[in-house]
Amino acid sequence: DAGVIQSPRHEVTEMGQEVTLRCKPISGHNSLFWYRQTMMRGLELLIYFNNNVPIDDSGMPEDRFSAKMPNASFSTLKIQPSEPRDSAVYFCASSRVGLNTEAFFGQGTRLTVV
Amino acid sequence: AQSVSQHNHHVILSEAASLELGCNYSYGGTVNLFWYVQYPGQHLQLLLKYFSGDPLVKGIKGFEAEFIKSKFSFNLRKPSVQWSDTAEYFCAVNLDNQGGKLIFGQGTELSVKP
Repeated sequence: DAGVIQSPRHEVTEMGQEVTLRCKPISGHNSLFWYRQTMMRGLELLIYFNNNVPIDDSGMPEDRFSAKMPNASFSTLKIQPSEPRDSAVYFCASSRVGLNTEAFFGQGTRLTVV
Repeated sequence: AQSVSQHNHHVILSEAASLELGCNYSYGGTVNLFWYVQYPGQHLQLLLKYFSGDPLVKGIKGFEAEFIKSKFSFNLRKPSVQWSDTAEYFCAVNLDNQGGKLIFGQGTELSVKP
C-alpha cells in the first residue's frame, strides 16, 4: 500500500484565494483525520470522519474551513477565503475505526498564504 | 476535557546519553497510547504503541515506553541516544469513547549533539 497520500505537497497562495487540500486514505481504513501543525499551537485536530461521516468538527477554526469525504477513498479540506494565519502544515491521517488501531499519517501539505 | 501533557518542551542531550520523555494523560477510561516521531521536515511516524498486556512496550530504533495506569503515564525511554534521534516526539491517546480520535500532546523537541 502506498500509505496516506496528500496533495499538493506545497501550496503558496495569495490571501483571499480558495485553497483545496486533498487526501487519499489507506485502502480499508474507515477513519480519516485532518490535523494542522504550527509552531505556536502544535498539532491540532481539525475534523475527523468515520465511514465518510463527519464525527467531530469542533477543531475547525472558522467557517472559512470546510471538509468533505464524498467516498471512502477521498477527502478534501477547503479554505475559502484563505488568510496568512492559515499558513501551516496540514496532515491527513487514516486508521480503522475503534480502539486497538493506529493512525497512519500522510506527508502533509505545507500551505503558505501571502 | 481529556488532555495529554508532555512535560518537556525541548530536551538537549549528548550522544550516548539516556533519554526519558514524560507523558501524562487525563482520562479515566480505557485508552490506547502511542508515541509518534517526526524527523525534521517529515511526517509523523509511529514509534510504539500500547493496547493491552505487558505495560512495557518496545518500539523501533531501541525505544521503549512504560504504561503506569495508576499514574496515568506513558513515558518514553531510550538507554543511549544517537544524533539521528534528533526529532520531535509526540505522545498520543486514543479514547474508547471517541471513535478512534487521537489526542496529541504538545510535542517534545529532542536535539542530540554529536
